[in-house]
Amino acid sequence: AQKVTQTQTSISVMEKTTVTMDCVYETRDSSYFLFWYKQTASGEIVFLIRQDSYKKENATEGHYSLNFQKPKSSIGLIITATQIEDSAVYFCAMREDASSSFSKLVFGQGTSLSVVP
Amino acid sequence: AQTIHQWPVAEIKAVGSPLSLGCTIKGKSSPNLYWYWQATGGTLQQLFYSITVGQVESVVQLNLSASRPKDDQFILSTEKLLLSHSGFYLCAWRDWGYEQYFGPGTRLTVL
Repeated sequence: AQKVTQTQTSISVMEKTTVTMDCVYETRDSSYFLFWYKQTASGEIVFLIRQDSYKKENATEGHYSLNFQKPKSSIGLIITATQIEDSAVYFCAMREDASSSFSKLVFGQGTSLSVVP
Repeated sequence: AQTIHQWPVAEIKAVGSPLSLGCTIKGKSSPNLYWYWQATGGTLQQLFYSITVGQVESVVQLNLSASRPKDDQFILSTEKLLLSHSGFYLCAWRDWGYEQYFGPGTRLTVL
């Protein structure tokens, strides 16, 4: 069964610095998709970025980028030039069985990021 | 642009009472729709998914049921609430890509 693990419960960083959040996953599939989502204090969940397992290049989206290390089953989220508004809970998620329309999305436990001035 | 709406915003219900939560998506035809549950401080757990009207698949059994009466509507319900049903319920949709987009959620407190 697929599993997603985020070991960092909470992180605190200074504004305008770079932060990396870790995520490791388990899957038997050769093709899968990895996602990062952000949940704000209001509960809103926002899709941030996606990595396709067959792509060697790390995905980037604005000030978000990924560190995809397939041999280590690891997908880290990097946020550069952090802002106070980046304070939120960040979830890593995986979708395996890429050929199916019914594939389950499994989430990690989340990492709470606090950006301080 | 697609918009997803959930109702109600919040509910406080008694144990043993019935529940109905709704989700509507506009601007997208025949979306794949999903229900998720999140305990306070916890992760998201997928409950149900639906790819078409009248068809719903259960992912996790939590004494809840779901229905899709219209192409743009997804309903989550139960006849008897349990304390363990408390939490945050989110509806999501998926486009042709693989990422899912979430609604604003409904906070449920069962007393």
